[in-house]
Amino acid sequence: AQKVTQAQTEISVVEKEDVTLDCVYETRDTTYYLFWYKQPPSGELVFLIRRNSFDEQNEISGRYSWNFQKSTSSFNFTITASQVVDSAVYFCALSAPEYGNKLVFGAGTILRVKS
Amino acid sequence: DVKVTQSSRYLVKRTGEKVFLECVQDMDHENMFWYRQDPGLGLRLIYFSYDVKMKEKGDIPEGYSVSREKKERFSLILESASTNQTSMYLCASSLGRGRQPQHFGDGTRLSIL
Repeated sequence: AQKVTQAQTEISVVEKEDVTLDCVYETRDTTYYLFWYKQPPSGELVFLIRRNSFDEQNEISGRYSWNFQKSTSSFNFTITASQVVDSAVYFCALSAPEYGNKLVFGAGTILRVKS
Repeated sequence: DVKVTQSSRYLVKRTGEKVFLECVQDMDHENMFWYRQDPGLGLRLIYFSYDVKMKEKGDIPEGYSVSREKKERFSLILESASTNQTSMYLCASSLGRGRQPQHFGDGTRLSIL
C-alpha cells in the first residue's frame, strides 16, 4: 500500500486560477512530520513546508496555503492565483518512526500553469 | 543557505562501467542520502548515512554501493552500470532525523548506454 498518495498525476491550469494539490498519507504513529517540496524544471527539490502531527493549524505563506486534517490523513496544498513560475513537480513526503524517520515521498504531481 | 553540490548535471556511461556520483554539502550535516527519481515512482531511497563511515541500505540498494570517508562528502557507486540504472539521481543532506527537512542538490541525470 502507498504510504503517501498523490492521486493527481498532472494538473493543468490557466494563470490566476487557484489550484489544490492533494496528499494522503498512512502511518500508525502519533508523532510524525509532513513536508512539501517543489521541483522546478531545473531539477533541484526545494523545501516548502514542514508540519508536525500535533499542529493542525492551517498555514498561509503568500499565495501558498496548506490544509492539514488528521481525521482524513490529508495534507493538501493550495496555490492561489497561480503563475507560470509555479509550474513544477510537487512532492508530498512523510517522516515517521514507523518508517525509520526517513522521508517517504509520494509519486509527485506535475503542475502546468499556462499563460 | 545550505548548499548541496553534485559533481555532474549530466553523465553518459556505458553498460558494465563503474560509475561514481559525488555529492558534497557545506553545512556540517550528519545525515546524507542518495535517491533515484523515475517518472511515476517519485523518489526512492538508495542508501543513506548518519555519520562518517556509516552507511545503511534504503529501499533499492541492489547494484549500488556508497562511500562516506568525510562528513561533507557522500559518494554513490554503480559497481557495474546497467541500462535500468538510467535515471535522475538526487543527493540530500539534513541536520538531524525525522523532523529536519532534507536539502537537495540539483541532481545528476545519468544515462547508461
